[in-house]
Amino acid sequence: DTAVSQTPKYLVTQMGNDKSIKCEQNLGHDTMYWYKQDSKKFLKIMFSYNNKELIINETVPNRFSPKSPDKAHLNLHINSLELGDSAVYFCASSQGAAGGTEAFFGQGTRLTVV
Amino acid sequence: SQKIEQNSEALNIQEGKTATLTCNYTNYSPAYLQWYRQDPGRGPVFLLLIRENEKEKRKERLKVTFDTTLKQSLFHITASQPADSATYLCALMDSSYKLIFGSGTRLLVRP
Repeated sequence: DTAVSQTPKYLVTQMGNDKSIKCEQNLGHDTMYWYKQDSKKFLKIMFSYNNKELIINETVPNRFSPKSPDKAHLNLHINSLELGDSAVYFCASSQGAAGGTEAFFGQGTRLTVV
Repeated sequence: SQKIEQNSEALNIQEGKTATLTCNYTNYSPAYLQWYRQDPGRGPVFLLLIRENEKEKRKERLKVTFDTTLKQSLFHITASQPADSATYLCALMDSSYKLIFGSGTRLLVRP
């Protein structure tokens, strides 16, 4: 069983479109995250949810909107996609504060905006 | 400004040797520091966590040190194998409870 699963794995879309990436974890964790990894492989946190509540919201364009319908799911919706949004997006989860416990990552969603 | 720095140049070593990777941080006071491994096309995988009051942590062939005075962590892989080739990321939690990653160091172990 995959602990943190994201869909889709690949997403190619045109500029201006709206798309969603889904994430589910079956570890019973209470904290979930979205990270963006750019072409230089730098992994940057975007959002964090704890028990369905947003606790971290980095300086991310408001075209990006996370939604957590329940503790096991954290989806990412992106409006009006731009070329610069092309990257790999990783979902992750952990039990409690991230620093003191390990984070489990999904396999990533490679988003290409053309 | 706050920074986590890892050597951006790839580390290329011979099989059987010890690989040592460095993570330096500036303007953080982390209570924990973590190391992850990332293979191409995959998400990072947790390896080790070390607390600020621990000087050293070991797990099989892996060893991590944490020097809060130098603001540095060293990650060692002893008896390295080609299968250890990957990118290794260090991460720490900042005061806002965000897990912040370094840019990673690519390790290549030659047979």
